[in-house]
Amino acid sequence: IAGITQAPTSQILAAGRRMTLRCTQDMRHNAMYWYRQDLGLGLRLIHYSNTAGTTGKGEVPDGYSVSRANTDDFPLTLASAVPSQTSVYFCASSEGQVGTDTQYFGPGTRLTVL
Amino acid sequence: DAKTTQPTSMDCAEGRAANLPCNHSTISGNEYVYWYRQIHSQGPQYIIHGLKNNETNEMASLIITEDRKSSTLILPHATLRDTAVYYCIVRAPSGSARQLTFGSGTQLTVLP
Repeated sequence: IAGITQAPTSQILAAGRRMTLRCTQDMRHNAMYWYRQDLGLGLRLIHYSNTAGTTGKGEVPDGYSVSRANTDDFPLTLASAVPSQTSVYFCASSEGQVGTDTQYFGPGTRLTVL
Repeated sequence: DAKTTQPTSMDCAEGRAANLPCNHSTISGNEYVYWYRQIHSQGPQYIIHGLKNNETNEMASLIITEDRKSSTLILPHATLRDTAVYYCIVRAPSGSARQLTFGSGTQLTVLP
């Protein structure tokens, strides 16, 4: 079934550790996104990528990095996790063409930093 | 993106139509109306979108008023699995990646 997969489903991480959240899409979408969702704050954009080889900063990029080596994969890395990065992380993608702005979301990764 | 207003919560009996309203009185001519939903603990799910004509797909129907200042999402035969927060979003099309901003949405509870 076409769509977006994320891994892991959930993770408990010690503060200071490095962690990479994986995201893969098979829809050949140009654009990809990472959001975090916290209670009472809604979805906030961390980083995005318009196309393979390019990335950009969203609303809350500090403490996170991304790469886009190919069309399908868009990993999110926490270099040194802190408790404030405890959240649910959603990856999304869209075709990235004018007039087709619909974003499709993955199932999410629930991350707890202790 | 134009501001939207939705009721905080609604109930619907299972098997009946759920009609979810959205006001967007400041919508611009090139802005689309999108509907997403988020079932508890899952990722947001795209439902439908439209510009000015009514739209229907396998999930729902979208009715947009002639002046485009409001719209209604219709789930024709609601099931318990349709219990979710429903978000109405108005935004202009973009050729580049751009944040999707969710408001507070409407908590729809489908009752058995």
